Amino acid sequence: GDSVTQMEGPVTLSEEAFLTINCTYTATGYPSLFWYVQYPGEGLQLLLKATKADDKGSNKGFEATYRKETTSFHLEKGSVQVSDSAVYFCALVSNFGNEKLTFGTGTRLTIIP
Amino acid sequence: EPEVTQTPSHQVTQMGQEVILRCVPISNHLYFYWYRQILGQKVEFLVSFYNNEISEKSEIFDDQFSVERPDGSNFTLKIRSTKLEDSAMYFCASMGRRQYFGPGTRLTVT
Repeated sequence: GDSVTQMEGPVTLSEEAFLTINCTYTATGYPSLFWYVQYPGEGLQLLLKATKADDKGSNKGFEATYRKETTSFHLEKGSVQVSDSAVYFCALVSNFGNEKLTFGTGTRLTIIP
Repeated sequence: EPEVTQTPSHQVTQMGQEVILRCVPISNHLYFYWYRQILGQKVEFLVSFYNNEISEKSEIFDDQFSVERPDGSNFTLKIRSTKLEDSAMYFCASMGRRQYFGPGTRLTVT
């Protein structure tokens, strides 16, 4: 079945550091890939997405490129801020009729000033 | 931006009791979902609902679980006889161009 593997956290970085959170997937067909973010006390918010190979999703300075050859969708940001502290979830959808999301375990990111 | 709402934010119940978790999806959405996240674990799909019936359910969604859209606005998840292992955060989502998630209900079974 479908699965998503994320790098384990927690991850702690200093402000303005470079961020990478690794994500790889296993899925049938050609899934759509997502990164969701969960700020403290809030629900899941879509951060970015990519629907086909070589697409790059971007939002709020975050980027991720859909790499079919390595089945990866790593999240990157060039200069993190304290406000980026949150839990980040990689996810995929492979059944387009139902759009059921399969999530990774989440990576807790803490940015220190 | 439109939002999905969930009530209550936190529910504490005793083992064996029934609980109903409530969600108000975004008004013109047609697909609805429940997910859960046990503390420290991944978010897991429970069930999807379309056209007033379940379109898919996971193996977690056994006979103790049921969903209902009792009126035009609410979408509920019922757990008939709660177990300790049902303690989790439960997220409702509805889908338009993408899935929108509610803030979650934390269920604690004692």
